[in-house]
Amino acid sequence: EADIYQTPRYLVIGTGKKITLECSQTMGHDKMYWYQQDPGMELHLIHYSYGVNSTEKGDLSSESTVSRIRTEHFPLTLESARPSHTSQYLCASSGQGASGNTIYFGEGSWLTVV
Amino acid sequence: KNQVEQSPQSLIILEGKNCTLQCNYTVSPFSNLRWYKQDTGRGPVSLTIMTFSENTKSNGRYTATLDADTKQSSLHITASQLSDSASYICVVSDRGSTLGRLYFGRGTQLTVWP
Repeated sequence: EADIYQTPRYLVIGTGKKITLECSQTMGHDKMYWYQQDPGMELHLIHYSYGVNSTEKGDLSSESTVSRIRTEHFPLTLESARPSHTSQYLCASSGQGASGNTIYFGEGSWLTVV
Repeated sequence: KNQVEQSPQSLIILEGKNCTLQCNYTVSPFSNLRWYKQDTGRGPVSLTIMTFSENTKSNGRYTATLDADTKQSSLHITASQLSDSASYICVVSDRGSTLGRLYFGRGTQLTVWP
């Protein structure tokens, strides 16, 4: 079972509010990712990190920011939430296995901006 | 353009029956292919991962096949159970970058009826 945790699981906030989605993993993985997924749609990479102090933007343009001060922690922040940010946000981490990188996902954070 | 296409989009079967889900991809250069199960409102959970040299891999009642020549994969579910109701996502990774970029299909929504 994957040791990767996201909080909060569900959140409803007002437009203009600042929100931080937390993600922590205890597997010692260097690579961590944030994906955005709308219902019935594919996952889109919005941020990733190779390790401490390393962050990059993904394929999907996002107004969110991330930080990687510690290996196990990869929080995502929205400075000013808008209704268009309503979505599910999935955190993931990866480590080397026998068949290549095994990617583990958190349970997801459902964000609704009203 | 690297793409992953899954079919069917949705499928309903009776409990105890078998089913096969399809995945076609154009990702190149190919690194590996994974199948994930995603329960509603949860994060994806890995079922199988296959590299170029692997043709088939099983995980309990789930058997994945890979034909790297035709760029096709299938996921066969045997003796389906109600708990198999979920979205099944095909994910293909390339080896053209250090990140090993992931390309996600939109998933097949499987519903198992009693």
